[in-house]
Amino acid sequence: QQQVKQSPQSLIVQKGGISIINCAYENTAFDYFPWYQQFPGKGPALLIAIRPDVSEKKEGRFTISFNKSAKQFSLHIMDSQPGDSATYFCAATGQKVTFGIGTKLQVIP
Amino acid sequence: KAGVTQTPRYLIKTRGQQVTLSCSPISGHRSVSWYQQTPGQGLQFLFEYFSETQRNKGNFPGRFSGRQFSNSRSEMNVSTLELGDSALYLCASSLTGFMNTEAFFGQGTRLTVV
Repeated sequence: QQQVKQSPQSLIVQKGGISIINCAYENTAFDYFPWYQQFPGKGPALLIAIRPDVSEKKEGRFTISFNKSAKQFSLHIMDSQPGDSATYFCAATGQKVTFGIGTKLQVIP
Repeated sequence: KAGVTQTPRYLIKTRGQQVTLSCSPISGHRSVSWYQQTPGQGLQFLFEYFSETQRNKGNFPGRFSGRQFSNSRSEMNVSTLELGDSALYLCASSLTGFMNTEAFFGQGTRLTVV
């Protein structure tokens, strides 16, 4: 049972464009929503995280939008760069952590 | 500051064997959690240890077990290996737990079961 649904599974964006990855969760007990970035051969690294009492959080080119009533949250990467090409995972945590399936982002020049 | 260290990086085992993976967390971190990563299932939570006690457990069979030592280092053991256990096994450490503070992942151990 996938408690966090992530889409799309792959994404190709032109350099300078906006990359958008969406996640939806079911369990209302989740109270911390991090996004992780993973490069090939490396472990995931925390990119940005949000708690449900905040609707938006921005760090540099990365923004999380959070809709508590819809149980959805999304990652926006502004001015996408080839160096952003990686796999991105959303996650939801409460007593345990559940990850989305991952989105492989490719930013083309 | 040293990161999370996982050893070995690569392992090849035969079906039916058992394997032990090791994870050394960042100094001062008391929480260590383990994950299995496969292309089809993504990242799945195995278990979390905090101060030598298993605090949470995912939905994996009893063949998967772990422990944590007094220095916070953790080991994960898989007994009676199956082909489907082939995966990247990641551990992550954090100060108090994944849900409260930032978790740092190691580079993982790539296990291949033949």
